[in-house]
Amino acid sequence: EPEVTQTPSHQVTQMGQEVILRCVPISNHLYFYWYRQILGQKVEFLVSFYNNEISEKSEIFDDQFSVERPDGSNFTLKIRSTKLEDSAMYFCASSGLYGYTFGSGTRLTVV
Amino acid sequence: ILNVEQSPQSLHVQEGDSTNFTCSFPSSNFYALHWYRWETAKSPEALFVMTLNGDEKKKGRISATLNTKEGYSYLYIKGSQPEDSATYLCAFNPGNTPLVFGKGTRLSVIA
Repeated sequence: EPEVTQTPSHQVTQMGQEVILRCVPISNHLYFYWYRQILGQKVEFLVSFYNNEISEKSEIFDDQFSVERPDGSNFTLKIRSTKLEDSAMYFCASSGLYGYTFGSGTRLTVV
Repeated sequence: ILNVEQSPQSLHVQEGDSTNFTCSFPSSNFYALHWYRWETAKSPEALFVMTLNGDEKKKGRISATLNTKEGYSYLYIKGSQPEDSATYLCAFNPGNTPLVFGKGTRLSVIA
């Protein structure tokens, strides 16, 4: 069964550093998403991506965040200057005809 | 702001007990309601995508019902087993914007 894969599974970074979270969506899906879950809180929408551009973003997705599809298969989320409050589980998802498929997440810990 | 509420937040049941929990969502602009089962360190696993008022779906010992007019869905687990222990997420799909998640119900089944 097709999967969404995310790397790394866990990333520890110092405050102020840049991080890039990577995702490989399902190949015939057209919509891609990033969600995050801060421990104990709801899964929150960050951004959606379609046709090589952002289609929607939440208020969380400020100028510190960016997304790219650099090579037609990877879908990346970059956080330019991490803050302590960016510590969360970040989920990538892609969607096709039959719904959303999520990756297993990257746990980002900012210290 | 779309709000999706799940209750209870957590639940402990004995093996063999049946249980249910609730997802409340906006009754307007409804397109679909998704249920996911999420075990730590794994991808959220899609259980059901429900679209029709009055719909009832079943997968093994797990079933779900949907009331779009009043904005709620119930998830039932019959004869809970330890392997059912997970967080159960519901997500509201208004059709033209990304999924909005509830906070989840964390189920622990004690052997």
